[in-house]
Amino acid sequence: EDKVVQSPLSLVVHEGDTVTLNCSYEVTNFRSLLWYKQEKKAPTFLFMLTSSGIEKKSGRLSSILDKKELSSILNITATQTGDSAIYLCAVEASRNNDMRFGAGTRLTVKP
Amino acid sequence: KAGVTQTPRYLIKTRGQQVTLSCSPISGHRSVSWYQQTPGQGLQFLFEYFSETQRNKGNFPGRFSGRQFSNSRSEMNVSTLELGDSALYLCASSLGGVTYEQYFGPGTRLTVT
Repeated sequence: EDKVVQSPLSLVVHEGDTVTLNCSYEVTNFRSLLWYKQEKKAPTFLFMLTSSGIEKKSGRLSSILDKKELSSILNITATQTGDSAIYLCAVEASRNNDMRFGAGTRLTVKP
Repeated sequence: KAGVTQTPRYLIKTRGQQVTLSCSPISGHRSVSWYQQTPGQGLQFLFEYFSETQRNKGNFPGRFSGRQFSNSRSEMNVSTLELGDSALYLCASSLGGVTYEQYFGPGTRLTVT
């Protein structure tokens, strides 16, 4: 069965720290992997990854996909309290056109 | 430009009833996707509509259905409600589909008693 696993489930850091969030997947006919940030309301899109080894970057956030290892990481450098959120990873599989979400990583950034 | 809107924002129904939720996408977006979010199961994909056609479907029973109108507005219907259907239902719109940048609406909180 297709699945997406994120780790850690929860993380507490201090402002200025760098964090790495992990997402591993087992899906048939992988198509793409997406990262979202969810605060109190609806998720907001961060990145979409389809090709292995190509880093996507947006400010202090960056992400990369490793299709050999069936995983992706999301890096946040110089964390700020505003980065506190749940970070969701989702994988789209073309076999049944399904999207599977991981449970999310709850990141708390303390001042 | 206006964001994704969902109505109603809150809804209380009893078991066995049916419910219809509405989603208006961002102007120009032709894709609307629906998601269910619960504390236990997290965020789960229901289905995606593009130009009035269901293009993708998650692993939900047939009680969950949807449609999209020519103006891209979408409705989701759940029939014969069960307690386990209590959830936050989110819709998201994008220009081309789930792998494009999606913009989420605020959600409809459904409580089934």
